[in-house]
Amino acid sequence: DAGITQSPRHKVTETGTPVTLRCHQTENHRYMYWYRQDPGHGLRLIHYSYGVKDTDKGEVSDGYSVSRSKTEDFLLTLESATSSQTSVYFCAISEKGHGYEQYFGPGTRLTVT
Amino acid sequence: GENVEQHPSTLSVQEGDSAVIKCTYSDSASNYFPWYKQELGKRPQLIIDIRSNVGEKKDQRIAVTLNKTAKHFSLHITETQPEDSAVYFCAASEGGGNKLTFGTGTQLKVEL
Repeated sequence: DAGITQSPRHKVTETGTPVTLRCHQTENHRYMYWYRQDPGHGLRLIHYSYGVKDTDKGEVSDGYSVSRSKTEDFLLTLESATSSQTSVYFCAISEKGHGYEQYFGPGTRLTVT
Repeated sequence: GENVEQHPSTLSVQEGDSAVIKCTYSDSASNYFPWYKQELGKRPQLIIDIRSNVGEKKDQRIAVTLNKTAKHFSLHITETQPEDSAVYFCAASEGGGNKLTFGTGTQLKVEL
């Protein structure tokens, strides 16, 4: 597996609380992505980054924000968690971008009660 | 934007048989089509991919075919084994090297 870690791996939080998920890579890849995976929906892109401090929205970005202050770290923040954000979150990295290989992290299972 | 449809949603085969999973896409400018395998509780893993300038690609027991005219691509697994049991996802990259759009997945079960 590519050098990608996610933390925490599991989290349970209450509605209305802020939550930050971390993705860390050791591959020095330029592109990083956050996806959510829900039954019946496959993987849906939340936000992505194409460099330090360079980010853009995906198809399901409402309620999420991201930051990338270092090449190796990409943070996903739920400002005020809702039950609809209960999901498995995967980080992915790519050396060359969307039209090239993406490698996924181990995932974070988030439950919002 | 791109729309990717994947069929079937579940597929059960006997060990040693072949399995075929099909995906269609909507954006004729899409040019990159990867396939991912995800075992239960694990991360999606890239198993094979194909670009629009190639019609077929093989890697041991797996192959992918692409029909640009019909805008569909398929994953073929031959001589299936129990360890092939997993969820398989197709994806397509929008024209201009833009974001990957995933299909909804196929649960493949290989029975002994």
